Amino acid sequence: KAGVTQTPRYLIKTRGQQVTLSCSPISGHRSVSWYQQTPGQGLQFLFEYFSETQRNKGNFPGRFSGRQFSNSRSEMNVSTLELGDSALYLCASSLAGEFTEAFFGQGTRLTVV
Amino acid sequence: AQSVTQPDIHITVSEGASLELRCNYSYGATPYLFWYVQSPGQGLQLLLKYFSGDTLVQGIKGFEAEFKRSQSSFNLRKPSVHWSDAAEYFCAVGAEEYGNKLVFGAGTILRVKS
Repeated sequence: KAGVTQTPRYLIKTRGQQVTLSCSPISGHRSVSWYQQTPGQGLQFLFEYFSETQRNKGNFPGRFSGRQFSNSRSEMNVSTLELGDSALYLCASSLAGEFTEAFFGQGTRLTVV
Repeated sequence: AQSVTQPDIHITVSEGASLELRCNYSYGATPYLFWYVQSPGQGLQLLLKYFSGDTLVQGIKGFEAEFKRSQSSFNLRKPSVHWSDAAEYFCAVGAEEYGNKLVFGAGTILRVKS
């Protein structure tokens, strides 16, 4: 059974640009959550999507957005990139709407220069 | 709101020695508790979880954790550490009212000396 797949693995962008990251959950999983990991702030919850609807949102500015498609694949977008957006972005997939364990992808390392 | 405290930023143990990583959580009701491990540049791997029932849970790689409601703790233990256990360990808490959102502790970096 394939795990959670995140693409791309590495990305370098310039300040002011926008970026889109992709996450394919485990087959049959319908919930996808996104986290940002930085040395200073640790692991912080961005948002969760379940059945194409955003169900929960963390405390991030509106520049951070996401969506989920009917096949449960999810994308997150960051507009007007700032240096502080440099981080490892992790996607987690869960089976259903009620609380279940989360399985993480390898992450996308975003560097903003 | 939920919160998690991992009081130890770094821990160094000798190979073959026992290990205990501390985790304290804050949440009013019974939480869902997890331990994840992360190797450099990699994602998070689930070691074990507690949802309900037996307060001593067994996980992968020989790890176990004990849920103590009275102390709001969920400490991770391993009787004999291997060099390959060197990594960063994260305790996390979830709750049904927050969907599948997890709140993580700051992590503990484990170093293993031979």
